[in-house]
Amino acid sequence: AQKITQTQPGMFVQEKEAVTLDCTYDTSDQSYGLFWYKQPSSGEMIFLIYQGSYDEQNATEGRYSLNFQKARKSANLVISASQLGDSAMYFCAMREGNYGQNFVFGPGTRLSVLP
Amino acid sequence: DAMVIQNPRYQVTQFGKPVTLSCSQTLNHNVMYWYQQKSSQAPKLLFHYYDKDFNNEADTPDNFQSRRPNTSFCFLDIRSPGLGDAAMYLCATSRDSGVSAAYEQYFGPGTRLTVT
Repeated sequence: AQKITQTQPGMFVQEKEAVTLDCTYDTSDQSYGLFWYKQPSSGEMIFLIYQGSYDEQNATEGRYSLNFQKARKSANLVISASQLGDSAMYFCAMREGNYGQNFVFGPGTRLSVLP
Repeated sequence: DAMVIQNPRYQVTQFGKPVTLSCSQTLNHNVMYWYQQKSSQAPKLLFHYYDKDFNNEADTPDNFQSRRPNTSFCFLDIRSPGLGDAAMYLCATSRDSGVSAAYEQYFGPGTRLTVT
């Protein structure tokens, strides 16, 4: 069974500093996708970034980057230059390949950005 | 803009009184999902549709049913809501990823269900 672990229930970061949110995963599939979502207090889930298991380069999207270490099965999210609006829950998720439709979510990390 | 719409945003129902939540999409995605999310927890998948094929999670209570009459619409029926069913219900869509698992989910804003 697939599993996602996020070991940091809560994190604090000073505004304008960088922060890394940890995610490790467990799968026996060779083809899979890793996703990060942001959920502000308003409740909507916002897609941030995607990394495919065969991608050799780490994904980047604006201030978001994904530190993908396949051998260690980790997919950490790095947010650079934190902003107050980054305060939210962050979920790491995995989608199995080979026509798999299910997404498995980690328990989430609550990030608080301090002024 | 293409999007996922959920109605209503807030729903109050009485203990044991059937309730239906609705989801529609303009993305023409063939996969649709229903999640239950309780406070400060990860979303819990209830079921998903791949086109008209219904896929129920093993631990989804029989109290929860779903219908997908066409590509655009999907409904969540709670036949006899209990106090423990109070939660945020999220609808999501995705393209079929094939081999690559490449496509993300698009979420609606959610329906917050209160059971009195």
